This record gives sequence, structure tokens and C-alpha cells, in this order.
Amino acid sequence: KQEVTQIPAALSVPEGENLVLNCSFTDSAIYNLQWFRQDPGKGLTSLLLIQSSQREQTSGRLNASLDKSSGRSTLYIAASQPGDSATYLCASFTGGFKTIFGAGTRLFVKA
Amino acid sequence: ETGVTQSPTHLIKTRGQQVTLRCSSQSGHNTVSWYQQALGQGPQFIFQYYREEENGRGNFPPRFSGLQFPNYSSELNVNALELDDSALYLCASSLQRSSGNTIYFGEGSWLTVV
Repeated sequence: KQEVTQIPAALSVPEGENLVLNCSFTDSAIYNLQWFRQDPGKGLTSLLLIQSSQREQTSGRLNASLDKSSGRSTLYIAASQPGDSATYLCASFTGGFKTIFGAGTRLFVKA
Repeated sequence: ETGVTQSPTHLIKTRGQQVTLRCSSQSGHNTVSWYQQALGQGPQFIFQYYREEENGRGNFPPRFSGLQFPNYSSELNVNALELDDSALYLCASSLQRSSGNTIYFGEGSWLTVV
């Protein structure tokens, strides 16, 4: 049974800092891994999708990596801004219908 | 803006009542899935519909049921509501999710059971 863990649960950083959010999964037989952003009381916004054959994806200041062998993915945010404050969730897809989410990392960027 | 719309956005129900939540998927998407998100937790998969058939279900009791219509819109029905059913209910759509395509979420429906 796939389990997805995100560390840390919460993170507070000053504006401008580069930061890394971690996501680990127990079943390495994933099709892909997707990172989402969730603002308070809102739905999820897709940030990056990494297919199992890829090692990383980049979008603007965001870079996500995937290491299936170690069961890890990281989301790197460069030059953080107060507008980046949100909860970041990772989700693994192992085929069929099985999308398993982590509990998320709550990020607060101080101005 | 994902093109996935959900209604209602907020509602309050009494324990024992029944509720129906609705979702319109993004144009062209034939797969809809529903998730329950309790406060401070990640979304938990309820079930998925592909071309009007349920093709996957998470660890939720039968009082959670759903429908998908020919236009790929969907409903989530919950009978005999319990206090623990209070959560954000999220709908997500994709094109042939089994192929590993991206899923797009709506803004969710906040359900409070009192």
C-alpha cells in the first residue's frame, strides 16, 4: 500500500530564501508524481507533473525532482516571495485510479 | 482557472440527512474523481468515474455514492451524514487518468455536519 509523507509539516522562511520541500513514497512503481499548491479554503492548483521516466521538471522559480529508486521527490522554490505562502502537496499516481496524497507542507514566507 | 466547477461552495447539514454535491469537469475530460479533505490533512480518494462507470473506489462506506452523466459532469451523494463527514469535498477531472495525465481540481464544496 502506497504511503506518501511530506516533511516538514510546516516551514517559515524570510522572503528571498531558496527552499526545498520533501516528499517520500513507499512504492517506487509510480507512473508519475504531481505537486500541487493549496491556498487556505481553496482547491488544489497543479504546479508540476513528473512522469516516472523523467528526473525533473521546471516551471519558473519552481523545480521538482524525482528519484524513484530512493522513493523521494523534492520541490525547490527559488527566491521565495510572500505570495508563495500556501500549503504544498505531493501526490503519487500508481496507475488505474490510485492517486495518494501527502498531508502537505504549510509554507509561510515572511516579508 | 482549471475549468472544473463545483456547487454548492458551502453548506450545512444535520446529522442523518443526505447531501448531493455537483461537479462540472473541464471540457473534454472523461474522468472524474472525488476526494475528501479533512482539516490539516491531504485529500483522500473516494471514487473515480470513467465514461459513466465507477472504475475505482477508496476506503469509504457505501453511503458514499456517485454518478457521472453523458456530458461527464458528476455528483457525489452522501447518505446518513455523520459528524466526521464534515470536510472539504474536491472534484478533479482528467483525460484518461489511467494514462497518467494531469488532474485538475475544482475549488471544492465545504460541508459542515452539525
